[in-house]
Amino acid sequence: GAGVSQTPSNKVTEKGKYVELRCDPISGHTALYWYRQSLGQGPEFLIYFQGTGAADDSGLPNDRFFAVRPEGSVSTLKIQRTERGDSAVYLCASSLLGPSQSEQYFGPGTRLTVT
Amino acid sequence: QKEVEQNSGPLSVPEGAIASLNCTYSDRGSQSFFWYRQYSGKSPELIMSIYSNGDKEDGRFTAQLNKASQYVSLLIRDSQPSDSATYLCAVPTSGTYKYIFGTGTRLKVLA
Repeated sequence: GAGVSQTPSNKVTEKGKYVELRCDPISGHTALYWYRQSLGQGPEFLIYFQGTGAADDSGLPNDRFFAVRPEGSVSTLKIQRTERGDSAVYLCASSLLGPSQSEQYFGPGTRLTVT
Repeated sequence: QKEVEQNSGPLSVPEGAIASLNCTYSDRGSQSFFWYRQYSGKSPELIMSIYSNGDKEDGRFTAQLNKASQYVSLLIRDSQPSDSATYLCAVPTSGTYKYIFGTGTRLKVLA
């Protein structure tokens, strides 16, 4: 079946602009995660959704970052007033159940470059 | 102390050898452990999960878990050049929904 998809694959934006990154999880997966990965580092947790609600958003670095999942499937990560330090690969993952006992499957990522 | 630690490498092994990748974690309450493979420019791909102490084998891969020592490892038998990648260890933190990833170990299998 189809895996996790993310759009766009690449996004270049100017400092101060607003961006939206989209994630479409595997069909039937109730849990959805956003991560950010910088070069040479492992993925860094941002937020976790179980269904429509954000069960844990403690990884969001500041209030410029926000994510939604209004119908429990597709999720959008929104970044306001982008800064050059936001440049990274943003990864989305989904899993069938929830944390701890369920494996996560990653999408291809969105490479965000803030100039 | 980092929550999940891995040697960044590179770990170089000859083709056909066994590659041994190690990971230590700090949260004694963690119950599940995952290994991901990440090729350069690609996203992480799940290769193994392990939940109980001991060994779990899947093809050429064996995951080993020792909760008392807070140590999880991945063995790759008969290493192939196509195994050259970064291997990431991921550990969910107990009581939260956060998966903590190590920085990854870069493996190079030499033909």
